[in-house]
Amino acid sequence: DTAVSQTPKYLVTQMGNDKSIKCEQNLGHDTMYWYKQDSKKFLKIMFSYNNKELIINETVPNRFSPKSPDKAHLNLHINSLELGDSAVYFCASSYDRDQPQHFGDGTRLSIL
Amino acid sequence: QQQVKQSPQSLIVQKGGISIINCAYENTAFDYFPWYQQFPGKGPALLIAIRPDVSEKKEGRFTISFNKSAKQFSLHIMDSQPGDSATYFCAASMSGAGSYQLTFGKGTKLSVIP
Repeated sequence: DTAVSQTPKYLVTQMGNDKSIKCEQNLGHDTMYWYKQDSKKFLKIMFSYNNKELIINETVPNRFSPKSPDKAHLNLHINSLELGDSAVYFCASSYDRDQPQHFGDGTRLSIL
Repeated sequence: QQQVKQSPQSLIVQKGGISIINCAYENTAFDYFPWYQQFPGKGPALLIAIRPDVSEKKEGRFTISFNKSAKQFSLHIMDSQPGDSATYFCAASMSGAGSYQLTFGKGTKLSVIP
């Protein structure tokens, strides 16, 4: 059973398009996260979401918006995609903010 | 400003040897220090973690050493195996009020050669 699953695994699209990445966790966790891993493998937090409280990393452009329909899901919507958005995006979850985080296998986004 | 500095960037170790990866942090409010292991095409997976109230934590072949005064912590992999070949990330975070967000080091690519 996959604990944190992301879809799609690969996403290839053109500049200017709007796209979404879905994330679901079956661990019963209360907190979910989105991370961006760039071409140099640097991992950076984008958002954390706990009990309807959204914490946004100040460096994230407002073209990115997380949406949580329920506790088990945190989707990432990206508007007006740019070349610099090409990266691997990871979803993660944890029981609470100070508990270990479990990561999905990532979504590789490529912008043409 | 990089709050967690990790070295080396890459490391080659012979099978059976000891792999050592070092990290240094700047923010004294950090109070949780995990290490993650990432294989190609996979997400990072928690390997071992430590809090600053202890100086060392061991789990199997993996040991974290923590030096609070120097603001440094390191991962030691004893008896390194080819299956340990992966990218390792140190991280740090602070609990308490506000967000609990991991700040990662830039990663170390470990290659264990037979």
